[in-house]
Amino acid sequence: GAVVSQHPSWVICKSGTSVKIECRSLDFQATTMFWYRQFPKQSLMLMATSNEGSKATYEQGVEKDKFLINHASLTLSTLTVTSAHPEDSSFYICSARQRPRGEYNEQFFGPGTRLTVL
Amino acid sequence: QKEVEQDPGPLSVPEGAIVSLNCTYSNSAFQYFMWYRQYSRKGPELLMYTYSSGNKEDGRFTAQVDKSSKYISLFIRDSQPSDSATYLCAMSAGTGFQKLVFGTGTRLLVSP
Repeated sequence: GAVVSQHPSWVICKSGTSVKIECRSLDFQATTMFWYRQFPKQSLMLMATSNEGSKATYEQGVEKDKFLINHASLTLSTLTVTSAHPEDSSFYICSARQRPRGEYNEQFFGPGTRLTVL
Repeated sequence: QKEVEQDPGPLSVPEGAIVSLNCTYSNSAFQYFMWYRQYSRKGPELLMYTYSSGNKEDGRFTAQVDKSSKYISLFIRDSQPSDSATYLCAMSAGTGFQKLVFGTGTRLLVSP
């Protein structure tokens, strides 16, 4: 099956530092990758959608200068949380999708990265 | 009002019970309805998806969609301890799985 990995699985950082999270599709080419954030006891919220080689499209209320997304290849997308603050502490999950083929365009999710900002 | 409402639970049942999980939604544009299972510290895994209203069955799992009531359900028959997880409903107005809107998830505990 389609496998998506994320690295690191968890990270603790000091307030004001930047953190980079990688999302890789291991056995397929992902033309589109999605980044979600999940706070405790809340639903996954889509942050941004990125297509390979294009700028990411951010959801309303998500600061694009704070959450930098790069989708430089068909198997790798990165999310950089710049100048992280404690309120950025959350569970970040990526998903990846192959080139759409008809109606069935499943997103495959990574295992998530837990970010704790002290 | 959230676009998708889902009772967070936890829902505790004995092994072998029939489990009913539900979501309600407010956006009538939603056409694709998905159920995901998420184990602790893991990403969501797609269980089933349904297009528009109707029922869909896959083994012990049955998904139902009632668009007139804006209500979807997932039934699990003969529940097993291995079914213990958080179940998230998700919906999409676009083609297939574009831009998913998730419920908060219901935590299910199946005791032996």
